Amino acid sequence: DIQMTQSPSSLSASGGDRVSITCRASQSISSYLNWYQQKPGKAPNLLIYAASRLQSGVPSRFSGSGSGTDFTLTISSLRPEDSGTYYCQESYSTLGTFGQGTKLEIK
Amino acid sequence: EVQLVESGGGLVQPGGSLRLSCAASGFTVSNNYMSWVRQAPGKGLEWVSVIYSSDHTSYADSTYYADSVKGRFTISRDNSKNTVSLQMNSLRGEDTAVYYCARFIIGTTNNFFDYWGQGTLVTVSS
Repeated sequence: DIQMTQSPSSLSASGGDRVSITCRASQSISSYLNWYQQKPGKAPNLLIYAASRLQSGVPSRFSGSGSGTDFTLTISSLRPEDSGTYYCQESYSTLGTFGQGTKLEIK
Repeated sequence: EVQLVESGGGLVQPGGSLRLSCAASGFTVSNNYMSWVRQAPGKGLEWVSVIYSSDHTSYADSTYYADSVKGRFTISRDNSKNTVSLQMNSLRGEDTAVYYCARFIIGTTNNFFDYWGQGTLVTVSS
């Protein structure tokens, strides 16, 4: 099974800051990497698919990069509504694994 | 508008059974890859099961399960009602979670969940 490791597990940043979350796969997954945002009590929401493609309707301050085993989600200028938990997910294998999540707090 | 609405969650004793249902609107479940993803309280996401589209070239209507539920859970589809179900048997405490129904898109170079339901809570406890 492919293991997905996210870091950090949590972070706190201020509005306007640029933040990055990394996700590492235990083996190469090409660009089969997705990023989701989840708010408390809500379902996850797709932000980025295929490592770097922005889902329709997602603000352009979100971006993704990487291929192979190392990936990054970057939020260029934090807004209060960006608080929540972020998950990466590999979709290279059937029943692709999610990372453990990164909880983002806006100061 | 695409919508997924889950139902059927609740409190069940260990060893018991429960059937979750997901009603889809705005698209046809038979032509899509429908999944169940769960989230234990305060924990991360686990993809539990998927049923493949009837249109898939090689694996039409195939079903797959996480090792943690294999042999106990069964995913199925009712094309006439446009619903997807998850039959859960021999339930354990570790099955306690919010269960989400989600549509999975399989493309040539990208695969992802694009729509999710609101989730239904399953609690396994005596």
